[in-house]
Amino acid sequence: GENVEQHPSTLSVQEGDSAVIKCTYSDSASNYFPWYKQELGKGPQLIIDIRSNVGEKKDQRIAVTLNKTAKHFSLHITETQPEDSAVYFCAVKAMDTGRRALTFGSGTRLQVQP
Amino acid sequence: EAQVTQNPRYLITVTGKKLTVTCSQNMNHEYMSWYRQDPGLGLRQIYYSMNVEVTDKGDVPEGYKVSRKEKRNFPLILESPSPNQTSLYFCASSLRSGTGGGNTIYFGEGSWLTVV
Repeated sequence: GENVEQHPSTLSVQEGDSAVIKCTYSDSASNYFPWYKQELGKGPQLIIDIRSNVGEKKDQRIAVTLNKTAKHFSLHITETQPEDSAVYFCAVKAMDTGRRALTFGSGTRLQVQP
Repeated sequence: EAQVTQNPRYLITVTGKKLTVTCSQNMNHEYMSWYRQDPGLGLRQIYYSMNVEVTDKGDVPEGYKVSRKEKRNFPLILESPSPNQTSLYFCASSLRSGTGGGNTIYFGEGSWLTVV
């Protein structure tokens, strides 16, 4: 089955700095790569996703890059703000598996210091 | 407002006492699933359902049951809970199970379950 590794497990940055979280996956058939943000006491929320036919996608201060050859993808948050503090999860899915849902990484706790 | 609603949000129970965690979505989604979240392990899928009366095992189904008699509801049943089922549980839904646009997965707010 799919194996997803996420690093680092914790990340502390100063407000205004950039944060980068990386994930690697094992199944070359995976072609959907979402990122979720989980705030304290809440369920995960989708913040950005990318499909395998593109290498990068941006949405304001958030971007995701994908390297299918190396089987890794990264979340980039620029100009971090205290409200970015949360746990972030990467996930992968292979379209052809259809019935099965996402395989998640173990999560990164991001702390933005004011 | 689009919602996935779980109940109860917090529960402490004793080993062996059957319990049900309810899940309801108001988006007419076909696909629903249950995950458990444990420290250092991320979210792992327990069961999923492609549509009414269609359910299947996820990655960690042991000790759990589900049913999908109506499209909006997908209860998680623990027939004989054990301490290793102490966890944070999330119900999730999406329009369909594919990865096409519009199939965003929506999560409920979680149910903290402690089995003593």
